[in-house]
Parts: sequence; structure tokens; C-alpha cells
Amino acid sequence: DAKTTQPPSMDCAEGRAANLPCNHSTISGNEYVYWYRQIHSQGPQYIIHGLKNNETNEMASLIITEDRKSSTLILPHATLRDTAVYYCIVRVAEGSSNTGKLIFGQGTTLQVKP
Amino acid sequence: NAGVTQTPKFQVLKTGQSMTLQCAQDMNHNSMYWYRQDPGMGLRLIYYSASEGTTDKGEVPNGYNVSRLNKREFSLRLESAAPSQTSVYFCASSKTLRASEQFFGPGTRLTVL
Repeated sequence: DAKTTQPPSMDCAEGRAANLPCNHSTISGNEYVYWYRQIHSQGPQYIIHGLKNNETNEMASLIITEDRKSSTLILPHATLRDTAVYYCIVRVAEGSSNTGKLIFGQGTTLQVKP
Repeated sequence: NAGVTQTPKFQVLKTGQSMTLQCAQDMNHNSMYWYRQDPGMGLRLIYYSASEGTTDKGEVPNGYNVSRLNKREFSLRLESAAPSQTSVYFCASSKTLRASEQFFGPGTRLTVL
């Protein structure tokens, strides 16, 4: 599975959009980009995933560059409850070799401030 | 639905003691996982079960055993606990190994003295 690089920390003002970047320059054609977050002392929570097209759900939007070497998770109106560690993960979603393993790096600690 | 539940929430052991961490899910998922998380680090996969009756090693299986008791339950056993196993343990489940979303339990905080 490809490795990802994220900034260790970011701040965001409450009510503003939070844009969390992720580099995955060695991503393969059959690898998806996943985002999870972990609020302090809780288990990780799935946010969104995508292959090459931009994706949106009720929690966030995922923008993947055309060359797929980087992506950005967007929380459109950050709240204090969005303060968490955000993990960008690249994983093969199809094929018999998929163990389902999620490789969690260090992630980005997002602090949403009043 | 309770989702994924784990017991106990906290546990303190002495070196050499044994214990079993319990995990259950009520979402009728086929696949279940055990991860550990050490301070300041991401999660690492210990063992997983693709479906009832099967288990496989993950990245860090040494010192652990697992049992997929039935479709709902997946337990993690420490036969002889060591201080290096002090960690937070998370259980997770998903519809299949290929499923996009894994659902995580609240974690068990284990300290081995």
C-alpha cells in the first residue's frame, strides 16, 4: 500500500472550512484514498473515500488531483466537535490480496478554535 | 444497534498474567479486526478474521492469539502479558475485507506493570 504524508497539525476557526492536505505520490492505479478521524480517546471513524473523482457526503468533500498524487479533505463548516486527528490512508479496495489492512500514519491533528 | 462493543474498558495486569479482550458486533458483518494504538502513533493491525471460522495474522501478532467464536464475536488473548503490550486496543468490523468502511469499538486501555 502506498505511503501518505500529512502535516502534523493544523488550526481552523469555527465556522470556516478546514482543508486537510495529503500527499500520496506513489499511489497505484487500483488504490483508493480513505479518510478516517479519531476524536480523543475514541475509536477511529470513517469519513469518506475516493478513487479519482471528487466525492462528497454529509460529513465532508474529498478532492483528488488529476494525477492522483495528492488529495484534500474539506470540512465545509468546521465545528468544535471536529477537533480530532485526521488520517489519510491509501488502500487497495479490490483484489484477493486485500487484507483490509488500514495503515494509519501519524495523521493531522486538527484544532478547531472558537 | 450498539455497533461494536468491547470489554473491559480498562484493565491493569502484572507481567506474566493472562487475559482475554472481548469484542462483539451486531451489524451482521463478516470481517473483524484487532488493532493496537501506542501513544502518539497510528493503529497497527494485530489479527483479523475475514469471515467466521478464519483468522490471519496482521502486522504485529507476536504475543497474541485470537478466536472468532461466532459471526458476532472476536476475542483477543494475551497468554503472558508483557509491559510492551501496554496499549489501547481497538476492535473493528466491516461487511467484508473489501468493504470501504470499518466500524471501530471504543477501545480497551490496557496497562501491564
